[in-house]
Amino acid sequence: GESVGLHLPTLSVQEGDNSIINCAYSNSASDYFIWYKQESGKGPQFIIDIRSNMDKRQGQRVTVLLNKTVKHLSLQIAATQPGDSAVYFCAEITTSGTYKYIFGTGTRLKVLA
Amino acid sequence: GAGVSQSPSNKVTEKGKDVELRCDPISGHTALYWYRQSLGQGLEFLIYFQGNSAPDKSGLPSDRFSAERTGGSVSTLTIQRTQQEDSAVYLCASSPVIAGGSYFGPGTRLTVL
Repeated sequence: GESVGLHLPTLSVQEGDNSIINCAYSNSASDYFIWYKQESGKGPQFIIDIRSNMDKRQGQRVTVLLNKTVKHLSLQIAATQPGDSAVYFCAEITTSGTYKYIFGTGTRLKVLA
Repeated sequence: GAGVSQSPSNKVTEKGKDVELRCDPISGHTALYWYRQSLGQGLEFLIYFQGNSAPDKSGLPSDRFSAERTGGSVSTLTIQRTQQEDSAVYLCASSPVIAGGSYFGPGTRLTVL
């Protein structure tokens, strides 16, 4: 699966620094959110999820923050490593009523050695 | 298999021909999704299947697109009378529950000449 290509916003960080990737979502009815990582030539990989009744969730080296007031989602990666270089995108899901699954276009993370 | 598989990995076809794309989800996963990723675009939701329920076809871009899931497992996405704008990577994903994190297949790259 090719990632989206040439015109993604790009975040460049030094190896070892923390990365913060942001996502603005569109639907106030969205009640579930997922961050995916997509490396070149591969399909998206699930990283971490969060439900709308939470504002923070932590995983291994990753933290997702949800601000429903401004419809904003962020992914924080601690101690960024070269293997973290990829396209990251968020998905907002509405699970009640008509099911909706919307992806953002993504942010390319480049880790500088 | 251990993950979601898709076939073929690449498909080149002529405008106007029909194509069939196949997805084998992870065994036991009740939810199956099809997405499309075009160059310069984010992931576009096409259709999902949940167990034996009628699929949600709300994301299919035209009536040339159809999908079926046989026996709650393998799914095929059919595109009739392909057009050049159908060229994209078609990704399949499955999850154990409808709002769970999805596991993606490697995708089928479709090129319509």
